[in-house]
Amino acid sequence: DAGITQSPRHKVTETGTPVTLRCHQTENHRYMYWYRQDPGHGLRLIHYSYGVKDTDKGEVSDGYSVSRSKTEDFLLTLESATSSQTSVYFCAISGERDRAYEQYFGPGTRLTVT
Amino acid sequence: EDKVVQSPLSLVVHEGDTVTLNCSYEVTNFRSLLWYKQEKKAPTFLFMLTSSGIEKKSGRLSSILDKKELFSILNITATQTGDSAIYLCAVENAGNMLTFGGGTRLMVKP
Repeated sequence: DAGITQSPRHKVTETGTPVTLRCHQTENHRYMYWYRQDPGHGLRLIHYSYGVKDTDKGEVSDGYSVSRSKTEDFLLTLESATSSQTSVYFCAISGERDRAYEQYFGPGTRLTVT
Repeated sequence: EDKVVQSPLSLVVHEGDTVTLNCSYEVTNFRSLLWYKQEKKAPTFLFMLTSSGIEKKSGRLSSILDKKELFSILNITATQTGDSAIYLCAVENAGNMLTFGGGTRLMVKP
C-alpha cells in the first residue's frame, strides 16, 4: 500500500468551530488531492496541490481551504464547520500529473458536524 | 461540467451469479475512464480504459469502453462474497482531473 495516512480518522465537532484534517505521505509524490464522499455523489474533488505552496480549487471548494508547506503534508481546513460538511474525507496522492489514474487513496476521515 | 452516472445504485446477487455494472458519462476532452473498488475504506484501482472496444480483464473482472455511446460496463463473473463492495466509475479529463459517479453498491450473498 502507498504510504499515505490521514488524521484524525474520526472527528465530531460543533457547527462554527474550525477543523483541520491532515494528510501525510511518505512516497514523495508531487500531487495531492482532497475529496469528500457523500451517499449518491461518489467522490468530489475539494482542492488539490501540484507542489509545495501550489494549490488549486476543485469542484466543491467553498468553505474549505488548504495548505501545503512540505511535500509530505497536505492540510484541509474548514474555517467554520457547517452540518453540510459532515462527510467522509479522502486524501489521494499521485506521482505524475499525466497519470491521474494512479491516484492512491488514504484511509479516510469521518467528520461529523453537529 | 463533467458528469458520470452509474447504474444500478445497488445490486444483490448470490454467489456464482454474473453481474454487469454500468457507467455513462459526459466529459469535455475525455482522457480515460477508470473503475475502482471500495470496500470498507479507501477506493482501490481496478481498470483504466482509453480506447473503445478493447476489453480489459483481471481474473473474473472485465471491462469495456464505448467512446461513441459514452459508456462503460464492468462485468464480474462467478461472483464471490469478497466481491461485495461499492464500485466507482470515474472519468479523467485532459486536465487530469477525475470526476466520479455515485457508485454501485454490490452485495453478494452466500
